[in-house]
Order: sequence, then structure tokens, then C-alpha cells
Amino acid sequence: NAGVTQTPKFRILKIGQSMTLQCTQDMNHNYMYWYRQDPGMGLKLIYYSVGAGITDKGEVPNGYNVSRSTTEDFPLRLELAAPSQTSVYFCASSVTGGAYEQYFGPGTRLTVT
Amino acid sequence: QKEVEQDPGPLSVPEGAIVSLNCTYSNSAFQYFMWYRQYSRKGPELLMYTYSSGNKEDGRFTAQVDKSSKYISLFIRDSQPSDSATYLCAMSATSSASKIIFGSGTRLSIRP
Repeated sequence: NAGVTQTPKFRILKIGQSMTLQCTQDMNHNYMYWYRQDPGMGLKLIYYSVGAGITDKGEVPNGYNVSRSTTEDFPLRLELAAPSQTSVYFCASSVTGGAYEQYFGPGTRLTVT
Repeated sequence: QKEVEQDPGPLSVPEGAIVSLNCTYSNSAFQYFMWYRQYSRKGPELLMYTYSSGNKEDGRFTAQVDKSSKYISLFIRDSQPSDSATYLCAMSATSSASKIIFGSGTRLSIRP
């Protein structure tokens, strides 16, 4: 199993551009999550999904959108990128949604200039 | 005041030393306590998980929760250079992963 994979690894965007961060898991997990990690700050939850077709906002959803059409994929869309969205983005998945069993992907490092 | 406070370090210790990493928190409703290890340019991986108070041991790692003091610790015995990483504490009042609050991480370096 590859686990949780994320693409791209790195990306530089100009202000106002849009992009989609890809996340795929091959563990048949129902629950999937998107976090951002800023220097000196803890991971912040952006959006999560409890199954295909169901998504919900986390702590910092503004400026982002998600969709979940399949169990495996959970893309994160950035519309009109802003410098404040410069961060490292992590996707995670879990079987039951428990706080004690999340598996994280390797991250996407995004810079908006 | 942050809900979860963690000293960012960096903490540098010689190989073989006992390492103590700590977090304090303000929300007395937290019941689930996790420690994650994050290598440079990688995603976090779950190391230890404790429910409510007490100690939990796994090999060289011991997690300790003191709810009366709102203080959690991770001890690493016989530290190795491969333990060099950032350690994140995390906690939640419910079992749902969507409610986890993460600490900002402590950077640890083990000197050979």
C-alpha cells in the first residue's frame, strides 16, 4: 500500500491564481482531512470528509473548497490564491474518524507570491 | 492564550540521554492525548496515544498525562540520532479527529 499520497510536492503560485492539491489514499478509509501547517503554529484543520459525497468545514476553511466524489480522492481547491495561503498542506485519512488513528501524507509546500 | 502550549526548542541532547518533551493545556475537557513525530519535510506520524490520565509505555517511549496539572509529557529513553525530529503534541475533548488541537511542535536533535 502506498498509504496517503499528495501531489504536487512543491508549488509556487502568483496572487490570484487557482490550483488543486491532490490527495489519494489506498487504504479504503472513509475519513479524510486537509490541514495546513504554518511555522510556529500547530496543524489547523481546513476541511474534512466522513465519506464520499460528504464534506464539512474545519477551523480555517475560508479561501478553500473541497469535493469527495470517491472514497480514494479528496482534492483541495484554492481559488484566488493569497499570500496568507503560503503554507505546508497535509492530507490525512482514518478508518473510523478517531483522534488516535490518523495517517498523514507527505505534504505539499505552497508559496504564493 | 493558546489552548495547547509547547516549547518550540530546539532541544539538543547527546545520544543515549533521556529526553523529556512537554505540553501544557488550558481546556480541562481534553480526554485524548497524542504525540506525533515529524521528520523534516515529511508528514506527522502517530507515536503514542493515551486516553485520560496515566502512563503508557511503548519500547523506548513513555507518554504521561497529568490532568490535574494540565500537563503531558513524552519521555524517550536511550535516545538515538534517528529520534531527531519535531515532536507534536495533540489533544481532543472527543474521540473525533475533526476536533484535535495540535501543539506547535518541539524540534529535537540527538548528537552522536
